[in-house]
Amino acid sequence: DADVTQTPRNRITKTGKRIMLECSQTKGHDRMYWYRQDPGLGLRLIYYSFDVKDINKGEISDGYSVSRQAQAKFSLSLESAIPNQTALYFCATSDPDRDETQYFGPGTRLLVL
Amino acid sequence: RKEVEQDPGPFNVPEGATVAFNCTYSNSASQSFFWYRQDCRKEPKLLMSVYSSGNEDGRFTAQLNRASQYISLLIRDSKLSDSATYLCAVNPGDDYKLSFGAGTTVTVRA
Repeated sequence: DADVTQTPRNRITKTGKRIMLECSQTKGHDRMYWYRQDPGLGLRLIYYSFDVKDINKGEISDGYSVSRQAQAKFSLSLESAIPNQTALYFCATSDPDRDETQYFGPGTRLLVL
Repeated sequence: RKEVEQDPGPFNVPEGATVAFNCTYSNSASQSFFWYRQDCRKEPKLLMSVYSSGNEDGRFTAQLNRASQYISLLIRDSKLSDSATYLCAVNPGDDYKLSFGAGTTVTVRA
């Protein structure tokens, strides 16, 4: 089984809808991240969490919110989706006590119509 | 100026060739550096860390040039399976966040 899972893997939604992307991990890592990837722009950090009680904004947090329900779960919400949020979204984890390697989930392809 | 910049390519090379490309970073205080590999429509995976002294892993060699603020990746004896996008990642010294480049696409042809 994959160590970092994301659901759904693909999602089509309409402008104005609220949607939630979920991330779960079995690696036991405290740190979790949400990125979006757009062609030509690379990975951009949306939010990150260093433990259950710690949530931080990344470089492009506007229009997004997150919830760290447990060490293993980190959800990303789009309160009112807009077309320019169409992108590939990745969740990642890391264990700073070991190294800085980030382990990514398989990604969620989101299309906002 | 972007924190991390890469030549998007594509670099189209024949099997067996050597290909090399760089990644520049803007923050001179950056602490650590990495190369990730991303196959089409898949998640990025760590290829290798980049140490001050440079490091080699099989056919892959990574170098760091702090004076000019860039890292490089060289692939020797290219294989078809090396076709991918290579993402540069830099820790600017701020917690353990990473800044990623947009990636360099390499296509190895038979």
